Amino acid sequence: KNEVEQSPQNLTAQEGEFITINCSYSVGISALHWLQQHPGGGIVSLFMLSSGKKKHGRLIATINIQEKHSSLHITASHPRDSAVYICAVNTDKLIFGTGTRLQVFP
Amino acid sequence: DGGITQSPKYLFRKEGQNVTLSCEQNLNHDAMYWYRQDPGQGLRLIYYSQIVNDFQKGDIAEGYSVSREKKESFPLTVTSAQKNPTAFYLCASSISSDRGLDSPLHFGNGTRLTVT
Repeated sequence: KNEVEQSPQNLTAQEGEFITINCSYSVGISALHWLQQHPGGGIVSLFMLSSGKKKHGRLIATINIQEKHSSLHITASHPRDSAVYICAVNTDKLIFGTGTRLQVFP
Repeated sequence: DGGITQSPKYLFRKEGQNVTLSCEQNLNHDAMYWYRQDPGQGLRLIYYSQIVNDFQKGDIAEGYSVSREKKESFPLTVTSAQKNPTAFYLCASSISSDRGLDSPLHFGNGTRLTVT
């Protein structure tokens, strides 16, 4: 079993829909990262959080340390949000999930 | 603008040849990392460097080598000893020297290596 599990693996949505991507982990962590990988392959760091909730524009990330779970929400989704979203956790090293591929159609 | 530059974007090599992937950063970051990405798998750490002239093996270092002669540069050589070199390679950096544990990672756009 992977130490970091993301769900769903693939997600399609219509423009304007509310999106939720989940990340569960089985190890003790100091922080969790959400990353966005564009179709060309480049990766952008979206959030790093160790508790509670962070918001940036239409993106919201939450984490529940006790339940070992984090969610990434996208409000009012747009086709430009189409990307692979990757969760990574800090233990004594970074452990990456396999990603959630999101496609938003107009 | 500051960032990480990886070159080339696509690289093709014949089996048995060594190949070097370039990674340059102008963010003044101490720590630099090389990751490998394969379909259906999470990123895996190949090598990392916390400071100039020092580097450490990651989880899948066999068949790879690196150098860190300058703070800005962390080239990765894929040697002929690497059994499955075809993959997408990502370079990253962070302010913290603690393997990115307490600071965001900045990534390059990657190099897609194909070995035939």
